[in-house]
Amino acid sequence: DQQVKQNSPSLSVQEGRISILNCDYTNSMFDYFLWYKKYPAEGPTFLISISSIKDKNEDGRFTVFLNKSAKHLSLHIVPSQPGDSAVYFCAAGAGVVKFYFGSGTKLNVKP
Amino acid sequence: DTGVSQDPRHKITKRGQNVTFRCDPISEHNRLYWYRQTLGQGPEFLTYFQNEAQLEKSRLLSDRFSAERPKGSFSTLEIQRTEQGDSAMYLCASSLAGDHEQYFGPGTRLTVT
Repeated sequence: DQQVKQNSPSLSVQEGRISILNCDYTNSMFDYFLWYKKYPAEGPTFLISISSIKDKNEDGRFTVFLNKSAKHLSLHIVPSQPGDSAVYFCAAGAGVVKFYFGSGTKLNVKP
Repeated sequence: DTGVSQDPRHKITKRGQNVTFRCDPISEHNRLYWYRQTLGQGPEFLTYFQNEAQLEKSRLLSDRFSAERPKGSFSTLEIQRTEQGDSAMYLCASSLAGDHEQYFGPGTRLTVT
């Protein structure tokens, strides 16, 4: 039973435009959410996170939005760059140890 | 800080053989995690250690799997009597206790033939 879902396996965006990656979760006990980026042949790299007490967190070109009532979070990348092309995973958990990951969205940023 | 390292990066083994993987976490991190990732899926939690104590194990971790972290530094994950369904990427991650962000190694890709 998947508690975290990323329903878009892939996304293609033009360089300079906005990339929006979406993630849904089912467990209302989840109180912390993270986004990871993964390049081929490497492990996932932490990108940005958000606590359930916030609805937005921003770090440079990356912003994560959390809608607790809809159990939905999204990652916005503005402007998108070719180097952002990677697989993006969202993860959610209750506490600081056990996180549930989505299946990933492969982002392709076209020059 | 050299990051999390894993060895080997690739392992091909025949069904029924035992395999062991090693993970070296970031040196100051006292928590260490093992995950399994299959094709098209995200990482799935297997187990974690705080220092040398194994504090939680997923039901995914069958009796054929065992993990150790004897001195609270590196960890090993052993799979006995491998099955084809064990073929996956095995990822290790580490963190400081209380931190949410986990730092992943490059993984060990296991292929069971």
